[in-house]
Amino acid sequence: AQSVTQLDSHVSVSEGTPVLLRCNYSSSYSPSLFWYVQHPNKGLQLLLKYTSAATLVKGINGFEAEFKKSETSFHLTKPSAHMSDAAEYFCVVRRGTTDSWGKLQFGAGTQVVVTP
Amino acid sequence: NAGVTQTPKFRILKIGQSMTLQCTQDMNHNYMYWYRQDPGMGLKLIYYSVGAGITDKGEVPNGYNVSRSTTEDFPLRLELAAPSQTSVYFCASSYENRDSPLHFGNGTRLTVT
Repeated sequence: AQSVTQLDSHVSVSEGTPVLLRCNYSSSYSPSLFWYVQHPNKGLQLLLKYTSAATLVKGINGFEAEFKKSETSFHLTKPSAHMSDAAEYFCVVRRGTTDSWGKLQFGAGTQVVVTP
Repeated sequence: NAGVTQTPKFRILKIGQSMTLQCTQDMNHNYMYWYRQDPGMGLKLIYYSVGAGITDKGEVPNGYNVSRSTTEDFPLRLELAAPSQTSVYFCASSYENRDSPLHFGNGTRLTVT
């Protein structure tokens, strides 16, 4: 079985300060991991993905995430928050076996608030 | 490139009415999905398809039906609308491999009253 836990349902940061969104996963097989962002009343946009190449993954808008197998974590970071980063963020796991590529597991989401 | 297109964007239904949410993609993806998103609840998988003619249930299939007659289209049918089906519905698609991300449509906001 696989599961995804986003450890914070809400994160509030000041503009210009670092952002950390935490994601832990469990998967019996080497998974692929994704982070998506959803701005209010919009669809989900891919920020970045991990697919067993480099463990530090860079994405769009200055975000990056580090895959740590020993900690089963895939935390998302950004050095300096911008007002436009206010959104909901989802961590997603895709199991690494051919019979289950079809199903992905979504975290519950982390709402990010950025204050001036 | 249009990507994943969903129609309509908004709809209000009365209890007991039926409707079809349309989804089409132009990326030649074999995998297609329907999710619903309720406030604070993340996304829940309703149905998915791994190719034309093949569909399977997700976590919350009750009250919905799907068909997949072509690679491009994956409509979602609500037969007897209930207030519990008030939600935002997202269609998504991907290639058939582990590393392929989902591409999402912009969603359909459905209210059942």
